[in-house]
Amino acid sequence: AQSVAQPEDQVNVAEGNPLTVKCTYSVSGNPYLFWYVQYPNRGLQFLLKYITGDNLVKGSYGFEAEFNKSQTSFHLKKPSALVSDSALYFCAVRDLNTGFQKLVFGTGTRLLVSP
Amino acid sequence: GAVVSQHPSRVICKSGTSVKIECRSLDFQATTMFWYRQFPKQSLMLMATSNEGSKATYEQGVEKDKFLINHASLTLSTLTVTSAHPEDSSFYICSAREARQANIQYFGAGTRLSVL
Repeated sequence: AQSVAQPEDQVNVAEGNPLTVKCTYSVSGNPYLFWYVQYPNRGLQFLLKYITGDNLVKGSYGFEAEFNKSQTSFHLKKPSALVSDSALYFCAVRDLNTGFQKLVFGTGTRLLVSP
Repeated sequence: GAVVSQHPSRVICKSGTSVKIECRSLDFQATTMFWYRQFPKQSLMLMATSNEGSKATYEQGVEKDKFLINHASLTLSTLTVTSAHPEDSSFYICSAREARQANIQYFGAGTRLSVL
């Protein structure tokens, strides 16, 4: 079965510093990978996706993610964190083996950016 | 990006009553809609998937008679929690996938259901 793992429950970073939120995946075939962000009591907002092409994917709000096939990783990054980036981040993979190709989510990583 | 509107954002009801949650895609046609449930500090759990005009496909362990899903049009899906009980209290989130951009799912803002 397709799955993603987010090994960190929480990541703390100071404002202005670079941030990385980790995600590894396990899929059969080519992975369709996504990052979403969730603010308190809100739904998920799409940040970026990797389907094919360049390994470095640029997304919304200055975020980017690097697809690494050999390490089966898709870490989310941002060069300079903002306090407003504090939120819950979900990595997801699209399960191409199901009829509806549903998204399978990781457990989420809470990002806390301190002033 | 595309907009998914979910209503209501918060609902409080008495045990035994039914609650309907609406999910609308405002500026696109959603061929497939998804309903998720999220427990505090946990990930999203997919409850069911529906295509317009057909019956919903429920995930294992989700009671289809309790969580009624209707996908009547390409822009509207509803989730009805029937005979709600306190254990149904949760955050429910809908999501829609556009036919043209089938690789992206857009999410509603969620509905906080509290059953007294």
